Amino acid sequence: GNSVTQMEGPVTLSEEAFLTINCTYTATGYPSLFWYVQYPGEGLQLLLKATKADDKGSNKGFEATYRKETTSFHLEKGSVQVSDSAVYFCALTINSGAGSYQLTFGKGTKLSVIP
Amino acid sequence: ETGVTQTPRHLVMGMTNKKSLKCEQHLGHNAMYWYKQSAKKPLELMFVYSLEERVENNSVPSRFSPECPNSSHLFLHLHTLQPEDSALYLCASSQDHYGLIYGYTFGSGTRLTVV
Repeated sequence: GNSVTQMEGPVTLSEEAFLTINCTYTATGYPSLFWYVQYPGEGLQLLLKATKADDKGSNKGFEATYRKETTSFHLEKGSVQVSDSAVYFCALTINSGAGSYQLTFGKGTKLSVIP
Repeated sequence: ETGVTQTPRHLVMGMTNKKSLKCEQHLGHNAMYWYKQSAKKPLELMFVYSLEERVENNSVPSRFSPECPNSSHLFLHLHTLQPEDSALYLCASSQDHYGLIYGYTFGSGTRLTVV
């Protein structure tokens, strides 16, 4: 089946540090890949996406590149801020056949940025 | 405000009560979803509606009953719940089926506590 594996959290960084949150996936076929972010007390927000191999998604200083050869979609940011503290979810959507699609989320990685 | 509105934000109910969660979107999206988010578990897809027809029910107990009267509104009717049903219930919508291209737009969720 399809699955998404994220690095275990929580991750604690100082302001302006470099961020990497690893995400790897298993899928039969060619999925679309997403990162969602959930701020405290809120629902999930789409952060960025990539729909085919070698695409780079970017938004708000975050980037992730769809790597088919390593089945990865790692999230990076060069300089984090306190306001980036949230839970980050990696996800994939794929056509499971017969017009059926399946959206699979990772368990989430909690990021805390301290001043 | 993401464009997907959920009410109420918080709900406390007894195990014998009947209540309903409401979700509303005016984004012109064609598909709507209910997810359950419990602590330390991946998001669980509960129901999918596409063009007002239920297209997926992921083995959800019958004490949860969805209703989609039109493409802008989605309800989750609750009755005789158990304490383990306490969770954050998230509604989402997508422009394309399963958000393959544009991802999902989530509401802020209803925090449900069953006592």
